Amino acid sequence: DGGITQSPKYLFRKEGQNVTLSCEQNLNHDAMYWYRQDPGQGLRLIYYSQIVNDFQKGDIAEGYSVSREKKESFPLTVTSAQKNPTAFYLCASSNRLAKNTQYFGPGTRLTVL
Amino acid sequence: DQQVKQNSPSLSVQEGRISILNCDYTNSMFDYFLWYKKYPAEGPTFLISISSIKDKNEDGRFTVFLNKSAKHLSLHIVPSQPGDSAVYFCAASAQKGTYKYIFGTGTRLKVLA
Repeated sequence: DGGITQSPKYLFRKEGQNVTLSCEQNLNHDAMYWYRQDPGQGLRLIYYSQIVNDFQKGDIAEGYSVSREKKESFPLTVTSAQKNPTAFYLCASSNRLAKNTQYFGPGTRLTVL
Repeated sequence: DQQVKQNSPSLSVQEGRISILNCDYTNSMFDYFLWYKKYPAEGPTFLISISSIKDKNEDGRFTVFLNKSAKHLSLHIVPSQPGDSAVYFCAASAQKGTYKYIFGTGTRLKVLA
């Protein structure tokens, strides 16, 4: 089955530790995205990548880093510089030929203790 | 400055009746719009989209209307079913620009049995 997988579903970390969230897609999509959702808010774009080895900052990139070494994978690292890391993180991908309709993974709930 | 606004945080509708969810945008460069449905602790699911060259798009019980002059779009669900209870997000993109989508803050729909 084609789709987007995110692991783990729930993640707990101590304050001050870096943590990496996984996102993998087998849809052969060119573009991948990371969003953050906080209670009562919409999805805010952290980083996005239109092609392998290239990525751009979104609206709230501070305290986060990404890499895009493979088309299928777009891991997100939440660094200790992120002031409020506890949130629900969503990964998405899109295909330029399909008008960039984004398809989302199931999300990772990160809780920093 | 929020470019995509969903001014109703919540909506309750009786089963079998019509649900109308609204979305307003400010950027006249937006030319492609999507609606997503989201359950708690899950990723958003793509519902329906519309290009700015159209004013209506229909898919089963879901219809999206676009009023470009008013910069307004709406999602109609007819008839509403209890399983439609979820948070609905609209998103907008300027297709000729980047791959970025701007999301609204969502409307929580509750369909009463």
